[in-house]
Amino acid sequence: EDQVTQSPEALRLQEGESSSLNCSYTVSGLRGLFWYRQDPGKGPEFLFTLYSAGEEKEKERLKATLTKKESFLHITAPKPEDSATYLCAVQSFGGSNYKLTFGKGTLLTVNP
Amino acid sequence: DVKVTQSSRYLVKRTGEKVFLECVQDMDHENMFWYRQDPGLGLRLIYFSYDVKMKEKGDIPEGYSVSREKKERFSLILESASTNQTSMYLCASSSSGSGGANVLTFGAGSRLTVL
Repeated sequence: EDQVTQSPEALRLQEGESSSLNCSYTVSGLRGLFWYRQDPGKGPEFLFTLYSAGEEKEKERLKATLTKKESFLHITAPKPEDSATYLCAVQSFGGSNYKLTFGKGTLLTVNP
Repeated sequence: DVKVTQSSRYLVKRTGEKVFLECVQDMDHENMFWYRQDPGLGLRLIYFSYDVKMKEKGDIPEGYSVSREKKERFSLILESASTNQTSMYLCASSSSGSGGANVLTFGAGSRLTVL
């Protein structure tokens, strides 16, 4: 069974204070690892897909990296508008081709 | 802009009522999903559909059923609502693509309260 663990559960940063969120995963064979952003009262919004160890993707102040066991979401010089819950999910080659397994998320708060 | 639209943002129902949650997507996606999201438990898959009239159970299908009569519409049905079904319900869709990873586009969510 696929498993995803995100840490920390919550993270408070000052504006401009860079940090990283962690997503540890266990899958039989990784089809893809996803990062989503979710604002309060809204549905998750897609950020990145990573497919293989060593891959990196960037979008504005966010950079996602992937190893064989974990992914990091690096946030450089965050702004208050980066405050949100960040969700990690995996899709494996085993079992259903459609199922994503989500972590419980990291609630990021960036103070001005 | 591509969209997944959930018809009701907030619903309040009584125990035992039949509840319909509707979801429509305009992206011609083959796959549609219903998740529920609860504090401390994250997103859990209820049901999904990979084609019209086709459905598969997710991790927590008990107490729910689904209907997909048209490609763009996927309905979640609570036959007899119970208080433990109070939750945020999220609909999502995706394209089957060429075998790559399955990027989901989510709707805004439907917050259901069962009294």
